[in-house]
Amino acid sequence: DAGVIQSPRHEVTEMGQEVTLRCKPISGHNSLFWYRQTMMRGLELLIYFNNNVPIDDSGMPEDRFSAKMPNASFSTLKIQPSEPRDSAVYFCASSYLARDEQYFGPGTRLTVT
Amino acid sequence: QKEVEQNSGPLSVPEGAIASLNCTYSDRGSQSFFWYRQYSGKSPELIMSIYSNGDKEDGRFTAQLNKASQYVSLLIRDSQPSDSATYLCAVGGTSGNTPLVFGKGTRLSVIA
Repeated sequence: DAGVIQSPRHEVTEMGQEVTLRCKPISGHNSLFWYRQTMMRGLELLIYFNNNVPIDDSGMPEDRFSAKMPNASFSTLKIQPSEPRDSAVYFCASSYLARDEQYFGPGTRLTVT
Repeated sequence: QKEVEQNSGPLSVPEGAIASLNCTYSDRGSQSFFWYRQYSGKSPELIMSIYSNGDKEDGRFTAQLNKASQYVSLLIRDSQPSDSATYLCAVGGTSGNTPLVFGKGTRLSVIA
């Protein structure tokens, strides 16, 4: 069975541009998570969904960040406008229930110049 | 605020030795506990899960849980250079809708 799929794997963009990251969770999983990882701050939970509904977005750093899950097999994380401090690796993960073990995608390495 | 604490390391052990990684958590009602391994430039990979007090063994890995002390550990026997990675401890909440809380990880270096 395919794992969590993320695209793109690498994204380089200029400050002020819109960035959209995509995620396809494991089929049958009901919870989806977006994380950001940096050397300084470690792994940070940005937002998570249960059954396509956003449950907690308190980790989203600013209004420039938004996330959607229009159906059970697709989610997006959008940054508009992007800033250099948004440079990080963004992971998507999914699980059957929110409290269960999570399976991570390969991540998107974002560089904002 | 639920917290999961780990020593950031680096923890250096010689090849063939036992590596011991520790984790403490603040939510006494936590029910599930996980260890993830993350190689540099890669995503976290689940390697162990434990739900009840005691030890759980899987190959060279042993997870230990002590709920009274709110303490989880991971032992790696016969450490290999390929075990060099960051190990993340994750703790599940008391309800089905509560996501895992991750520690910041311990960096392990196995010296050949």
